Amino acid sequence: KAGVTQTPRYLIKTRGQQVTLSCSPISGHRSVSWYQQTPGQGLQFLFEYFSETQRNKGNFPGRFSGRQFSNSRSEMNVSTLELGDSALYLCASSSGTSGFQGETQYFGPGTRLLVL
Amino acid sequence: AQSVAQPEDQVNVAEGNPLTVKCTYSVSGNPYLFWYVQYPNRGLQFLLKYITGDNLVKGSYGFEAEFNKSQTSFHLKKPSALVSDSALYFCAVRGPIYNQGGKLIFGQGTELSVKP
Repeated sequence: KAGVTQTPRYLIKTRGQQVTLSCSPISGHRSVSWYQQTPGQGLQFLFEYFSETQRNKGNFPGRFSGRQFSNSRSEMNVSTLELGDSALYLCASSSGTSGFQGETQYFGPGTRLLVL
Repeated sequence: AQSVAQPEDQVNVAEGNPLTVKCTYSVSGNPYLFWYVQYPNRGLQFLLKYITGDNLVKGSYGFEAEFNKSQTSFHLKKPSALVSDSALYFCAVRGPIYNQGGKLIFGQGTELSVKP
């Protein structure tokens, strides 16, 4: 099975712009989670989608949003970019159907966003 | 509230020697614990997890982890380290289930350096 794919891999934007990142989960997986990784804050949960519905949200401002499509692909959007949004954005997928806390999340390679 | 601590920012080991990367956790309820590894400019790769059962969990690439409930620890181990094991290691605990979803809560990471 192909793994989680994320596009683009690298992105450079300027302050005030907006950006959309894309994630394709492992085939058959219906849950997609997004995480932000920075040197200062480490790995932080952004949100989780299952069957096109957001079912968990982390502690991020409203500038961060996401959605999931019927084929389970997901996008996240960051509007009005700030310098502090520079980070590696990681997408993870899991089957999501059981609600089982022991379920494994499989991560993509990430999108490296640099805000200038 | 669920939390994870990795007390060592860096661990240095000589090739061929055993390695240990430490992790302690705090959870309410049953712990669901995970180890991931991250190579430079890559996403997170799943190594192993503890759900229930045997306290010694075996995972990928010869890694294993020992779950100790009384010490609330989940240390990652390998009997003989390889230079190629040099990477950033993350311990994670599954967060509370809301609407059947559940985020991963990560430790700050431990940089493992294996010297020839």
